[in-house]
Amino acid sequence: GAVVSQHPSWVICKSGTSVKIECRSLDFQATTMFWYRQFPKQSLMLMATSNEGSKATYEQGVEKDKFLINHASLTLSTLTVTSAHPEDSSFYICSTSGRVAYEQYFGPGTRLTVT
Amino acid sequence: EDKVVQSPLSLVVHEGDTVTLNCSYEVTNFRSLLWYKQEKKAPTFLFMLTSSGIEKKSGRLSSILDKKELFSILNITATQTGDSAVYLCAVHLLSGYSTLTFGKGTMLLVSP
Repeated sequence: GAVVSQHPSWVICKSGTSVKIECRSLDFQATTMFWYRQFPKQSLMLMATSNEGSKATYEQGVEKDKFLINHASLTLSTLTVTSAHPEDSSFYICSTSGRVAYEQYFGPGTRLTVT
Repeated sequence: EDKVVQSPLSLVVHEGDTVTLNCSYEVTNFRSLLWYKQEKKAPTFLFMLTSSGIEKKSGRLSSILDKKELFSILNITATQTGDSAVYLCAVHLLSGYSTLTFGKGTMLLVSP
């Protein structure tokens, strides 16, 4: 399967600051990437679908002005959490849509802690 | 609203036991059902099921789908402590994107 990396793997930031998380598809050109959020002891919740060269599609309840997604190339999508608050502390995981429609390859995740 | 429900939410067994994890779903435009194992990081893929009644098997793990009753089970035989993880069930929908709807997961703890 495709190899997906995320950077950073963990980050601690102060409330009110912005944090950028990168998701890279290392060996595959991903026209579509997905961003998930996972709170402790809960399942993955899809936040948005990111398409190369166009605006991301956000799931209901996800603030697009707070979670800025940029998918400028076929190998890189970024998620920026703006004006982070402690309740944004979570595990953020990206995935790419694979060569076959049903496949998704997950990145290792980024643990964000907002103090 | 699309729904994926897993049971039990958590389970503790002894090494060597056999466990069965359940996943039921109510979705529109079903394409396939997937099982993932999640330890401390991102989920790792276990199985994809699209057809009813055909068992998928990988070592001590196996899974089957019932599209009439809308559920799937994941079996783990001769459990080991390394099987301790959260097992996630996800349904892949027929849509323009390859979106997955996840269940809440079953947390399995295998004690020595």
